Amino acid sequence: GAGVSQTPSNKVTEKGKYVELRCDPISGHTALYWYRQSLGQGPEFLIYFQGTGAADDSGLPNDRFFAVRPEGSVSTLKIQRTERGDSAMYLCASSSSLAGGVGEQFFGPGTRLTVL
Amino acid sequence: RKEVEQDPGPFNVPEGATVAFNCTYSNSASQSFFWYRQDCRKEPKLLMSVYSSGNEDGRFTAQLNRASQYISLLIRDSKLSDSATYLCAVRRGDSWGKLQFGAGTQVVVTP
Repeated sequence: GAGVSQTPSNKVTEKGKYVELRCDPISGHTALYWYRQSLGQGPEFLIYFQGTGAADDSGLPNDRFFAVRPEGSVSTLKIQRTERGDSAMYLCASSSSLAGGVGEQFFGPGTRLTVL
Repeated sequence: RKEVEQDPGPFNVPEGATVAFNCTYSNSASQSFFWYRQDCRKEPKLLMSVYSSGNEDGRFTAQLNRASQYISLLIRDSKLSDSATYLCAVRRGDSWGKLQFGAGTQVVVTP
């Protein structure tokens, strides 16, 4: 079946602009995650949705970052007033939900964000 | 100290040889453990979940040592296509949605 998809694959923007990154999870997966990865580092957790609600947003670095998942499927990560330090690969993952927890996370191809 | 640490390598391995490397974690509340493989500029792909008894998938063997708080990955009969960065990920029992990743171990298999 289809995996996690993310659009756009690349986004170049100017400092101070607003960007939206989209994630379409694996069909039937109720849990969705956003991570970002800088060169030479592992993915860093940003936020996790269970259904429509953000179950854990402790990784969002500041209030310029916001994510939504209004219908419990597609999610959008929104970054306001972008800064050069926001440049990174933004990865989305999804998993099924299991009794007592969540399943293994499967990643999409990512959106490479470059802030000039 | 980082919560999940890995030797960055690179581990240069002749084709057909065996390579093994570890990942240490600092939080004793960690409950689930995973190995991901990441090729250059691609997304992480799940390689294995690590079970408490250790598990094997073909040429890959993962082990968990809770007492010393590390997981290991062993690759037997290395192929050129095994060249990649191997990320370990840890999930704590009090934070089900969040995977904590190490920075990865680079493996280069040479002909």
